[in-house]
Amino acid sequence: LAKTTQPISMDSYEGQEVNITCSHNNIATNDYITWYQQFPSQGPRFIIQGYKTKVTNEVASLFIPADRKSSTLSLPRVSLSDTAVYYCLEAGSARQLTFGSGTQLTVLP
Amino acid sequence: EAGVTQFPSHSVIEKGQTVTLRCDPISGHDNLYWYRRVMGKEIKFLLHFVKESKQDESGMPNNRFLAERTGGTYSTLKVQPAELEDSGVYFCASSPYLGEESNEQFFGPGTRLTVL
Repeated sequence: LAKTTQPISMDSYEGQEVNITCSHNNIATNDYITWYQQFPSQGPRFIIQGYKTKVTNEVASLFIPADRKSSTLSLPRVSLSDTAVYYCLEAGSARQLTFGSGTQLTVLP
Repeated sequence: EAGVTQFPSHSVIEKGQTVTLRCDPISGHDNLYWYRRVMGKEIKFLLHFVKESKQDESGMPNNRFLAERTGGTYSTLKVQPAELEDSGVYFCASSPYLGEESNEQFFGPGTRLTVL
């Protein structure tokens, strides 16, 4: 069973900031919070990972509170091409990934 | 740099037949993973190679599935005999990280398997 909980779907408009929250109440001490993106007919693609506080890269930001029971993926100024399924995962290094159902993000014009 | 490639992209076979899927990881990646999504369900882990050795095969559903990675380069996943419930998309992923704290795996486009 997937250990994370996230919304099934979200809608947004182009140019808006999108925040997707994930719950992981029983995350292991050694696990990182990792987010993947998947477009139709493609394999998942790594977006970002973090352990605590805030991580930012050229694609997204990841906010993790001190208790690590949740995390928020932030996508700034989304475009139509950001329409995809976004997965939140708990993962340790070099181990298998456990995917849940993900969040279907639809960006509208 | 070439990404992870998988062959074939689609395969349609009849129940009872044999199918072999191939994955070519990114050059230099010691970790190779197989995953699958069946019947619209979640993506599930099958197994993990480190070079040519099976590190974790806890996700392999039964003995009809055989994975190999001879020489630590490309990998094959054979299903023999195929059953209807094996239909789905089979993903391969590779990663260069061994014992390092990164969960970035590079996925291929998948092979869509249809068993009739």
